[in-house]
Amino acid sequence: GAVVSQHPSWVICKSGTSVKIECRSLDFQATTMFWYRQFPKQSLMLMATSNEGSKATYEQGVEKDKFLINHASLTLSTLTVTSAHPEDSSFYICSAIGDRSYGYTFGSGTRLTVV
Amino acid sequence: DAKTTQPPSMDCAEGRAANLPCNHSTISGNEYVYWYRQIHSQGPQYIIHGLKNNETNEMASLIITEDRKSSTLILPHATLRDTAVYYCIVGLLEYGNKLVFGAGTILRVKS
Repeated sequence: GAVVSQHPSWVICKSGTSVKIECRSLDFQATTMFWYRQFPKQSLMLMATSNEGSKATYEQGVEKDKFLINHASLTLSTLTVTSAHPEDSSFYICSAIGDRSYGYTFGSGTRLTVV
Repeated sequence: DAKTTQPPSMDCAEGRAANLPCNHSTISGNEYVYWYRQIHSQGPQYIIHGLKNNETNEMASLIITEDRKSSTLILPHATLRDTAVYYCIVGLLEYGNKLVFGAGTILRVKS
């Protein structure tokens, strides 16, 4: 089946620094990847849609200059949280669509804690 | 995107069937019904999806009503490891179309 690897699984960073999260499709080519954010006891909130070789499309209310998304290849998308602040602490999850028989495949998530 | 309505929580006895309902009365003709689940602090796991016919795989069965306005996910023999949040989502199975999550149903399987 389709597998999406997300790295790191957790990260702690100081306020004001930047953090990069990687999302890789291991056994399929993902033309489109998605980034979600999830706060405790809440559902997943879509942040942006990332298409290979083009600029990401951000959902309303998501700051594109703060959450930089790069999708340079068919197997890799990255999310960089720039100048992180404690309110950016959250669970970030990526997703990709590849093998149509499995629908959308999700990564295992990254727990970001900004101190 | 069509919206879905699910009960906020359900309990199920271990070994019994868990039937999770979902209403999607505004679904359009070419939108699929997807079911995912999320175990605490993990990414969502794909369970099953369907268009209009009932579907079954090694994890679950999906029953879609004839008018496609509602569906039921059936876990035939629930185990404690099936305790999770279950999300019913409708969307197009096409590259670039996004999945929007609702609140989901918290399923608690109890021994």
